[in-house]
Amino acid sequence: DQQVKQNSPSLSVQEGRISILNCDYTNSMFDYFLWYKKYPAEGPTFLISISSIKDKNEDGRFTVFLNKSAKHLSLHIVPSQPGDSAVYFCAASAQAGTASKLTFGTGTRLQVTL
Amino acid sequence: EAGVAQSPRYKIIEKRQSVAFWCNPISGHATLYWYQQILGQGPKLLIQFQNNGVVDDSQLPKDRFSAERLKGVDSTLKIQPAKLEDSAVYLCASSPWGGGGEKLFFGSGTQLSVL
Repeated sequence: DQQVKQNSPSLSVQEGRISILNCDYTNSMFDYFLWYKKYPAEGPTFLISISSIKDKNEDGRFTVFLNKSAKHLSLHIVPSQPGDSAVYFCAASAQAGTASKLTFGTGTRLQVTL
Repeated sequence: EAGVAQSPRYKIIEKRQSVAFWCNPISGHATLYWYQQILGQGPKLLIQFQNNGVVDDSQLPKDRFSAERLKGVDSTLKIQPAKLEDSAVYLCASSPWGGGGEKLFFGSGTQLSVL
């Protein structure tokens, strides 16, 4: 049962344009969402997060939007740069309790072309 | 600040052999996680430690996988005997206190190939 879904395995965007990565979830208990970025042969690194009490969080070129009613979130990268080429994972957790178990999506490979 | 250290980086074994992975978390982090990432999939939690106690091992195949966290710091993950489907990257992560919504810091992982 895939509770966090990233339906686009890959995305190609030109440098300077906007990259939009999408993520859907099914578990209504999820109330905290994170995006991780992964380069080849490295571990995932935290990029940006959002709590369910918000619908938008911005950090420089990265913005995450959350639509709770649709159980959908998206990561916008503007402007896209070649160094953004990586695999992006969406992850979700339930804040209740003491454990921060993350459920990851399958990832979207972003390629930013010159 | 030093990151999460893992070793070895790569390991190739034959099926039915045993293998062990080592992880040293960020200093002071109480919570340690082992994730399995199969090619084309997202990381899947195998086990979570809070200090040296197990918080969640519901997805750990306990007939062949074992893990321990020595003195609440370093951790080892062992597979015995290995199967072909165990080929994956094994990621260790740590976080300060394991609270809900806390971000995790990952190591570079150990890539295991079972032939």
